[in-house]
Amino acid sequence: KAGVTQTPRYLIKTRGQQVTLSCSPISGHRSVSWYQQTPGQGLQFLFEYFSETQRNKGNFPGRFSGRQFSNSRSEMNVSTLELGDSALYLCASSLSGGARTEAFFGQGTRLTVV
Amino acid sequence: TQLLEQSPQFLSIQEGENLTVYCNSSSVFSSLQWYRQEPGEGPVLLVTVVTGGEVKKLKRLTFQFGDARKDSSLHITAAQPGDTGLYLCATGGTDSWGKLQFGAGTQVVVTP
Repeated sequence: KAGVTQTPRYLIKTRGQQVTLSCSPISGHRSVSWYQQTPGQGLQFLFEYFSETQRNKGNFPGRFSGRQFSNSRSEMNVSTLELGDSALYLCASSLSGGARTEAFFGQGTRLTVV
Repeated sequence: TQLLEQSPQFLSIQEGENLTVYCNSSSVFSSLQWYRQEPGEGPVLLVTVVTGGEVKKLKRLTFQFGDARKDSSLHITAAQPGDTGLYLCATGGTDSWGKLQFGAGTQVVVTP
């Protein structure tokens, strides 16, 4: 079956702009989580959605937001972009998002803010 | 938040050599996952270990989960250049939906 699909793969934005990233989970997976990966901080959890509801949120400013649609596809939005937002953004899907549920990652979206 | 310590941070070996990377925590893991990530790509799940003392094999990769479920190791036998990548361990919290806590990773480079 198809894996997790993230679009676009690459983005270049300027400071102050906003950006929307998309994630299509594996068919049947209802939990979608988002992560930010940078060389200095590693993989950091942004938030998780399940059945269109945000169940969990990491320690990121309100400029980072997300949503999930009825088909489990998810989007994340970053407003008022800062240079420090440059990172690889990864989404992961799983069946339920529980502690022992295996998560499968997309290839990521590389965001560069100039 | 459970902290995961991975060691070493970086490992460079020749093709055919063996290597071991470690993942440790001061807290008990409910379960532990190992991922491999190549540059510019997302992490790929290698294995999930759940039971203390568990050993799982995936071709030339052997994963061990400590008896007390506070540590895990990944051993690669006869490494090949295709094994090059960032090896990450991760665990999910018992009350933390959809959130995996990752270690900083071990960068492994296998040269021909």
